[in-house]
Amino acid sequence: SQKIEQNSEALNIQEGKTATLTCNYTNYSPAYLQWYRQDPGRGPVFLLLIRENEKEKRKERLKVTFDTTLKQSLFHITASQPADSATYLCALVRGSQGNLIFGKGTKLSVKP
Amino acid sequence: DGGITQSPKYLFRKEGQNVTLSCEQNLNHDAMYWYRQDPGQGLRLIYYSQIVNDFQKGDIAEGYSVSREKKESFPLTVTSAQKNPTAFYLCASSPPGRNTEAFFGQGTRLTVV
Repeated sequence: SQKIEQNSEALNIQEGKTATLTCNYTNYSPAYLQWYRQDPGRGPVFLLLIRENEKEKRKERLKVTFDTTLKQSLFHITASQPADSATYLCALVRGSQGNLIFGKGTKLSVKP
Repeated sequence: DGGITQSPKYLFRKEGQNVTLSCEQNLNHDAMYWYRQDPGQGLRLIYYSQIVNDFQKGDIAEGYSVSREKKESFPLTVTSAQKNPTAFYLCASSPPGRNTEAFFGQGTRLTVV
């Protein structure tokens, strides 16, 4: 069956360091992958989309890579800040209907 | 402001009662979705609708029902047949196309008492 997995439930890092989150998928050949941020008690907010023919995409301190051979996406936050603390979700489009399916998320905590 | 609005933010229901969660969007999006989020489970798709007067079951539709009579509105009814309804419910919409982002509401936390 098709699966999307975020291997770490939680990640704790020190302020100023780079956070790296992992998203793996199986039995998919997605054309693109999305990353969202979710704060407690709120809906997810879209951050970045990367297409299969893009190896890397950047937005300010965020960087996403997409390796279709490894079936993996990495999400990096450089110079992390306590305000970056949140749960980060990766998502793929499933099937012809275009529904998004989500990983379970990684809760990032950035300590000052 | 354009956006997607869910109401109420918190909802309490007695066992055996149906309850309806509201979702309204003014983004002119055709597609709308309902997800359920439980701790450690991530977001799971309940129902989705790609166009007015049409909707499809998602992965966990049992015990739920929806309607899509207007483009702007996609209410979700949690029926008494839903065995474990306590959860955080999220509504989303997206513009046409396969490489488009989803816009989420702020969620409704439903608690069965």
